[in-house]
Amino acid sequence: EAGVVQSPRYKIIEKKQPVAFWCNPISGHNTLYWYRQNLGQGPELLIRYENEEAVDDSQLPKDRFSAERLKGVDSTLKIQPAELGDSAVYLCASSKTGRSYEQYFGPGTRLTVT
Amino acid sequence: GQQLNQSPQSMFIQEGEDVSMNCTSSSIFNTWLWYKQDPGEGPVLLIALYKAGELTSNGRLTAQFGITRKDSFLNISASIPSDVGIYFCAGARGSQGNLIFGKGTKLSVKP
Repeated sequence: EAGVVQSPRYKIIEKKQPVAFWCNPISGHNTLYWYRQNLGQGPELLIRYENEEAVDDSQLPKDRFSAERLKGVDSTLKIQPAELGDSAVYLCASSKTGRSYEQYFGPGTRLTVT
Repeated sequence: GQQLNQSPQSMFIQEGEDVSMNCTSSSIFNTWLWYKQDPGEGPVLLIALYKAGELTSNGRLTAQFGITRKDSFLNISASIPSDVGIYFCAGARGSQGNLIFGKGTKLSVKP
C-alpha cells in the first residue's frame, strides 16, 4: 500500500512569491490534514478535511494561506504571498474515518523563503 | 499554539541501554500517541493509548497512559542504533482527532 505522497519535497522561493504544495493521501483515507512543523518543534495543525469539506481551519492564516480538496482525494495548500516566517516543513497526513487518531504522515515539503 | 512538555529534550544512548522519556500537560487528554520522526521524513505512529492507566507494547517499545490523563511515558528497551531519531508525543481531547504535539525528544548515539 502506497503511503501519503507529497510534492515537491523541497522548495526555495523569495518572499512575496506564491507557492503551492500537493498531497495525495493513502487510498481509502477520507480524512486529510495539513500541518506546519517549525524547526525544533512538533507539527501544528493548519487544516483538516473530511472528504472535500474543511471541518477545522481555525489555525489556518486565511489572509495568505488557502487549501482545497475539490474531489475529496488529493489536496493543495497554497501560500500567497510568502513571508520569511513561513519557512518550515509542511506535512500532510491522512486517516481512515473513525480512526482519526491514527494519522499517517507524508515526508513533507521543506519550504525556505529568502 | 499549545504544545505538550516533553522531557528530556535530548539524550544520548549506548547500544543495549534502556531509554525512558515522558510527556506532560496541564490539561487532560483522552488519547495519547507516540510518533518517531527520522530526518527528512514525516512522523511515524509507534503506539496509541486510549484509556487512563493503559500500558501498551510494540516490540521493544512500551508506553503508558498516565492515570491522571495529563501525562504519558515511553520506554525503549535494549536500544539499537536505528532507534535514533526524534520522538514526539501527541494528545487529543475529543472525538475530532485533532492532535497536539510535544516538541520532541531527540535520541542520539553516544560518541
